[in-house]
Amino acid sequence: QGQLEESGGDVVQPGRSLRLSCVASEFLFSSYGMHWVRQAPGKGLEWVATIWYDGANKYYEDSVKGRFTISRDNSKNTLYLQMSSLRAEDTAVYYCARGGHFHFDSSGYRDALDIWGQGTMVTVSS
Amino acid sequence: DIQMTQSPSSVSASVGDRVTITCRASQGISTWLAWYQQRPGKAPKLLIYATSNLQSGVPSRFSGSGSGTDFTLTINGLQPEDFATYYCQHANSFPRPFGQGTKVEFK
Repeated sequence: QGQLEESGGDVVQPGRSLRLSCVASEFLFSSYGMHWVRQAPGKGLEWVATIWYDGANKYYEDSVKGRFTISRDNSKNTLYLQMSSLRAEDTAVYYCARGGHFHFDSSGYRDALDIWGQGTMVTVSS
Repeated sequence: DIQMTQSPSSVSASVGDRVTITCRASQGISTWLAWYQQRPGKAPKLLIYATSNLQSGVPSRFSGSGSGTDFTLTINGLQPEDFATYYCQHANSFPRPFGQGTKVEFK
């Protein structure tokens, strides 16, 4: 079925950087788009970023554009989220998720987040 | 950008009830909509993809419908394990916001 395991969450000061990792197992990682989703304490889900199966295309939520970078290493079955210039409002549990049931056509790329990790907590505080 | 609006924000129900949650997109998204369930302290779980397709292992009491801008998640015969928060998310384009969530609570 597949598993995802995030790591790298920590308490960091505003303005600092942090890199999250997500290791995939039990499925062919290189065939799937991958996503990061976050959830601030007591709040709803917020989509953060998406990367295509081959890393060719990346998409970001507006509030993280220019500060966060999604990447992947298919040889290591690992997804990353490099976060810089962190702000208090970036405090959240960060989940990685697989883009399953994907559909490519001339009008775009669609999928659904069918496997989720357990999440890793990022706290931005002085 | 497309915005997603769910209603209601919370619903009180009893075991055995039928519960309906709606999700409205600010622009047409064809049938590219998914529903997720999240229990407290747990990661979200995919229930339905592409409006009406049940994810493997999800009970048949869950169903989805709609197209364009208006979508519905229905739970027929609410079970104790269904008390959770439900989110919609569109997959038509980027960015891909979630709805704000609907909490299903005990009446």
